[in-house]
Amino acid sequence: GAVVSQHPSWVICKSGTSVKIECRSLDFQATTMFWYRQFPKQSLMLMATSNEGSKATYEQGVEKDKFLINHASLTLSTLTVTSAHPEDSSFYICSAPRRRDTEAFFGQGTRLTVV
Amino acid sequence: DQQVKQNSPSLSVQEGRISILNCDYTNSMFDYFLWYKKYPAEGPTFLISISSIKDKNEDGRFTVFLNKSAKHLSLHIVPSQPGDSAVYFCAAKGASMEYGNKLVFGAGTILRVKS
Repeated sequence: GAVVSQHPSWVICKSGTSVKIECRSLDFQATTMFWYRQFPKQSLMLMATSNEGSKATYEQGVEKDKFLINHASLTLSTLTVTSAHPEDSSFYICSAPRRRDTEAFFGQGTRLTVV
Repeated sequence: DQQVKQNSPSLSVQEGRISILNCDYTNSMFDYFLWYKKYPAEGPTFLISISSIKDKNEDGRFTVFLNKSAKHLSLHIVPSQPGDSAVYFCAAKGASMEYGNKLVFGAGTILRVKS
């Protein structure tokens, strides 16, 4: 079964509004979670590393004020796309490494469409 | 600068035959490599991995080969089944603190298994 749950799986919002995406680790604690973005027919691009209890680390070129990350507990990280624009439309995926495993587990992804 | 490259965007294979997916990397600090399978509108699911201290890892129909000197790895699926049709991502991570648990992904290869 899924060990990382992401919600919602899809969302349509109006331009200028904000959207929050949740990522939960289901049966383990994750001090670190990762947020990725995938454009059509392209690879998964790491946006930021979410750190429990501290500030997220953003990859080069990712606007931290645009993509707000909150890792308030050991099982929940949220990504808020603020003042969304059509160019923010994409597939957003989170992942969390489980300590005893070497591979990271991914959420189901969120399809964001900004109209 | 693509550190992980999957040069074949797509591959078509007959059911029952072998599928070989290739991946090249440029960063010699990578020491762990993973293959993920992804269906449209879903998060990636882990398939198989290999540490840099090994040159082969096998799990059922899936075998990953690593050639460190060539900085090349490949995923072999045999026999291929129609359900294997998906996008396959190669990913790598490094051992140093600089990399943490970050995964660097290739662009993906679309595998189509024809029945």
